[in-house]
Amino acid sequence: DTGVSQDPRHKITKRGQNVTFRCDPISEHNRLYWYRQTLGQGPEFLTYFQNEAQLEKSRLLSDRFSAERPKGSFSTLEIQRTEQGDSAMYLCASSSASNYGYTFGSGTRLTVV
Amino acid sequence: GESVGLHLPTLSVQEGDNSIINCAYSNSASDYFIWYKQESGKGPQFIIDIRSNMDKRQGQRVTVLLNKTVKHLSLQIAATQPGDSAVYFCADPLGANNLFFGTGTRLTVIP
Repeated sequence: DTGVSQDPRHKITKRGQNVTFRCDPISEHNRLYWYRQTLGQGPEFLTYFQNEAQLEKSRLLSDRFSAERPKGSFSTLEIQRTEQGDSAMYLCASSSASNYGYTFGSGTRLTVV
Repeated sequence: GESVGLHLPTLSVQEGDNSIINCAYSNSASDYFIWYKQESGKGPQFIIDIRSNMDKRQGQRVTVLLNKTVKHLSLQIAATQPGDSAVYFCADPLGANNLFFGTGTRLTVIP
């Protein structure tokens, strides 16, 4: 296992298009998190899964955003009708049940033009 | 409200010197803190953590100090190396399921 993998690394899309990102966590980690990071800021929490259940969502996660983790392994984050304000780095992290020492992926950098 | 902030947005140190990165928090109930390092183009990487029942914790070349009285913690890096150049964040778990990150301090190591 080489850590948390995210795909794609970079995505450029036109405003109004839909985009989907994928995250493959560390296999033995049952917790998976999505964060968003804008330039010069720290990561901001978006949502959290324990196994396949989405247990917490931030107010940042508008109704244009949806995340899934159908089999409790990989997760997808979809943004519909993208806006320029969605441009950011989208980070995925995973952890075991009792560990806050998340392992982050390298992120997907989204640019909306 | 909850806040975790860093005193300086940037810090430049000479290679071989020690670095000290500071962080203040506002929630007296916070009992666990984590330091992350983020290199350019990468996700944050766990460095070290500390619980509120400790004042100090040491890792390899890093030490975290926690002063609960003034709600302050610091990350000390000994013998700073060029590979230490990165943005450093202190983070505070909000409840059980997510982390609150500060803005970060960019450390630049001058060869």
